[in-house]
Order: sequence, then structure tokens, then C-alpha cells
Amino acid sequence: KAGVTQTPRYLIKTRGQQVTLSCSPISGHRSVSWYQQTPGQGLQFLFEYFSETQRNKGNFPGRFSGRQFSNSRSEMNVSTLELGDSALYLCASSLGLAARGADTQYFGPGTRLTVL
Amino acid sequence: KQEVTQIPAALSVPEGENLVLNCSFTDSAIYNLQWFRQDPGKGLTSLLLIQSSQREQTSGRLNASLDKSSGRSTLYIAASQPGDSATYLCAVKSSGYALNFGKGTSLLVTP
Repeated sequence: KAGVTQTPRYLIKTRGQQVTLSCSPISGHRSVSWYQQTPGQGLQFLFEYFSETQRNKGNFPGRFSGRQFSNSRSEMNVSTLELGDSALYLCASSLGLAARGADTQYFGPGTRLTVL
Repeated sequence: KQEVTQIPAALSVPEGENLVLNCSFTDSAIYNLQWFRQDPGKGLTSLLLIQSSQREQTSGRLNASLDKSSGRSTLYIAASQPGDSATYLCAVKSSGYALNFGKGTSLLVTP
């Protein structure tokens, strides 16, 4: 079974631009979560989608947004990029079980975003 | 707010040694705790998941324990190998659907 895939793997943008990242979950998984990883802050939760609905949101500004499509694929958008947005953006998918304790998250390889 | 701490931040051991990585969390109301491995510049690989009702999980040379009441988990690696060199991350799922991560332990196993 194919794992979580993320595209593109690397991106270079300049301040003020916007960017869209894509995530394809494991087949059959309905939940997709996004995380930002930086050397200083570590891994921080951005948001989680289940069946096209955002169920949970982290403490990030409104410039960060996302959506999920009917095939469970998800996109994340960052508008008006800032230097501090440079990070590894990781997507994770899971079955989205009601029994949250048993719901294992599987991560993709990430998209490395550099903002100049 | 759930806070997750991992000690030590870095560890270097000779090949063959058994080792223990520690993880602590402040809120014992958790759904599960998951251990991940991250190689440089790569994504996260899930190693073990322990549900809140469980005390430990094992996979090969890895054993993870959970003491929810004291807010602690340990990851035991037996007979370490150079291929085990990576950053090990502990993550807790408490409220909502998000994982709260520690900053990780960077492990180097020398031949």
C-alpha cells in the first residue's frame, strides 16, 4: 500500500508570495493533519481535516489555510509569505477512527519551504 | 496545555549498547502516545503506539512503556546499531485530534 505522498518536495518562494502544498493520504484514510516543523519550535499542529471538514485548528494566523477534497486529498495554502514561514511542512493521514486512542498517524516525507 | 519533554536532547552510544529514551507529559488525560523516528531531512516513521489503557508495546528490538499517572513514557532500544542513528520523537494525543510533540532526542550510534 502506498504511503502518504506530498508535493512538491522542495519550494523556494519570496516574501509576500503565496504557496500551495499538496498531500495525498494512504488509501482508505479519511483524516489528514498538517504540521510545521522548525528547528526552534519543533513540530507544531496546523489543522486537521476529516471528510472535507476542518475538525481542529492549531494556533497559527489566518494566512495558513487548508482544505480537503472528496477523495481525501488535502491542500494547504500560505498567503503573504514571511521569512519565518520557512520550515518543513508535514502531512499525516489516519483512518480517523472514533476511538482516537487506536488511531495511528502516518506521516509523509514533507515539503521543504524556503522563503527568501 | 499539554507540554511534552524529551530527555536527553542528544545521546551518543557505542554499537551494541542498550539504551533508554525518556518522554514526559504534563496532562495525564491522553488518548495515546506515539514514538516516531525521523532521519535528517525526512518525514516521520511511526515506531510504536501505546493506547492510554495499555502499559507497553513491543516491536523487534524496541519496547515502549507508558505510565499515564506519572506522565512518563520510555523507549527502550536493545542492542543498538549504527542504523538506529536518528532523531526519536515522542507525541501525545490528548484533547482534539492533534499530536503534541516533544523536541526529540538525537541519537548517534557509533560503530
